[in-house]
Amino acid sequence: QVQLVESGGGVIQPGGSLRLSCTASGYTFTTYGLHWVRQAPGKGLEWVAVIWFDGSKKCYGDSVRGRFTISRDDYKNTLYLQMNSLRVEDTAVYYCARDPSSTSYHFDYWGQGTLVTVSS
Amino acid sequence: SSELTQDPAVSVALGQTVRITCQGDSLRSYYASWYQQRPGQAPVLVIYDKNYRPSGIPDRFSASSSGNTAYLTITGAQAEDEADYYCHSRDTSDKGVFGGGTKLTVL
Repeated sequence: QVQLVESGGGVIQPGGSLRLSCTASGYTFTTYGLHWVRQAPGKGLEWVAVIWFDGSKKCYGDSVRGRFTISRDDYKNTLYLQMNSLRVEDTAVYYCARDPSSTSYHFDYWGQGTLVTVSS
Repeated sequence: SSELTQDPAVSVALGQTVRITCQGDSLRSYYASWYQQRPGQAPVLVIYDKNYRPSGIPDRFSASSSGNTAYLTITGAQAEDEADYYCHSRDTSDKGVFGGGTKLTVL
């Protein structure tokens, strides 16, 4: 069965860096795009970034562009999100999600999420 | 940047039909997908592309669209449908965008 497992969350001071991981299993990793989505406490979902199935394209939300970097290691079946210059407003549960679509985006499997808390 | 607008809250009587609306310019180019999120849980895909349901999603969930508006309809709402619902779309810059979410109450 398809599983996505996030890790790497924790408490970090403003201005710090953190790398999230999402390990996938149960499907052919290289045939699906992957996204990061976050949810601040008590708030709605916010799209963060996408990396296409072959890694050829990466796109970022306006609030994270220039600070976050999405990448994938197809040998380790793992998706990453490198987060630099963290701000208090980056505090959220971060989900990775699989995207089977070739045109519109949609997310058929999600991880359980990892909590990132940015606080001094 | 693109935006998707949803009504913050909607209520429906048990067994009745409810329609949740999502509005935004990106919907003129790309289909919306819809997600159900119960408290403390990860979102679950309920509708994607024109009107497709993943395996395991009841057929009381359906979708339609017109112009810049997408609709999620629940026909015969059940108590377990009480949740937050989010629409999502790709935009013309290849970014993704979520609606603000609609809290559905089943009375």
